[in-house]
Amino acid sequence: DTGVSQDPRHKITKRGQNVTFRCDPISEHNRLYWYRQTLGQGPEFLTYFQNEAQLEKSRLLSDRFSAERPKGSFSTLEIQRTEQGDSAMYLCASSLGTGILSGANVLTFGAGSRLTVL
Amino acid sequence: RKEVEQDPGPFNVPEGATVAFNCTYSNSASQSFFWYRQDCRKEPKLLMSVYSSGNEDGRFTAQLNRASQYISLLIRDSKLSDSATYLCVVNRGGSTLGRLYFGRGTQLTVWP
Repeated sequence: DTGVSQDPRHKITKRGQNVTFRCDPISEHNRLYWYRQTLGQGPEFLTYFQNEAQLEKSRLLSDRFSAERPKGSFSTLEIQRTEQGDSAMYLCASSLGTGILSGANVLTFGAGSRLTVL
Repeated sequence: RKEVEQDPGPFNVPEGATVAFNCTYSNSASQSFFWYRQDCRKEPKLLMSVYSSGNEDGRFTAQLNRASQYISLLIRDSKLSDSATYLCVVNRGGSTLGRLYFGRGTQLTVWP
């Protein structure tokens, strides 16, 4: 396992189309995160999973966004009816969290999926 | 008010210089603190955790002041390879246990 993998790396789509991103975390990591980053800003939290349970969702995650992690391994992030404001880098990260704080906060990020909505 | 505030810079320093970055966080209940580094068009990577007693890793020193809700990163003897964006990161704990809040980052360029 060489790290966190994301696919596709780049996606260009027209406004109104649906897009889906996939993330494969480090295999032994039980936590998986989605962040969004735009130019000149730090990553913004979207959601995170512990195993297959989605434990937190940001208010940034509108009804058009949905994330799943059905078997506690890979995750998908779907954006429906894309808007130009959705253009960003979507970053996935994973961590190993066995206790409340132990190890859970050391995130390993994937290279990201860059979305451009025309 | 943002959870984490950072001066975006840019900081432009010559090789060998010492440079310091600062960061403030808004929630006094925050529990864990980190500095991540992000190279241009790359993903963020953990640089170091920040402990209450302060900690050092080679040329890098991190300090935490809980009373002032302030975090700092000092880089001594800057190298060209230190050029990157440095992200201040805070975990609030409690009901948002899993969420890390990132600052917007401070851009550093080290020139020869």
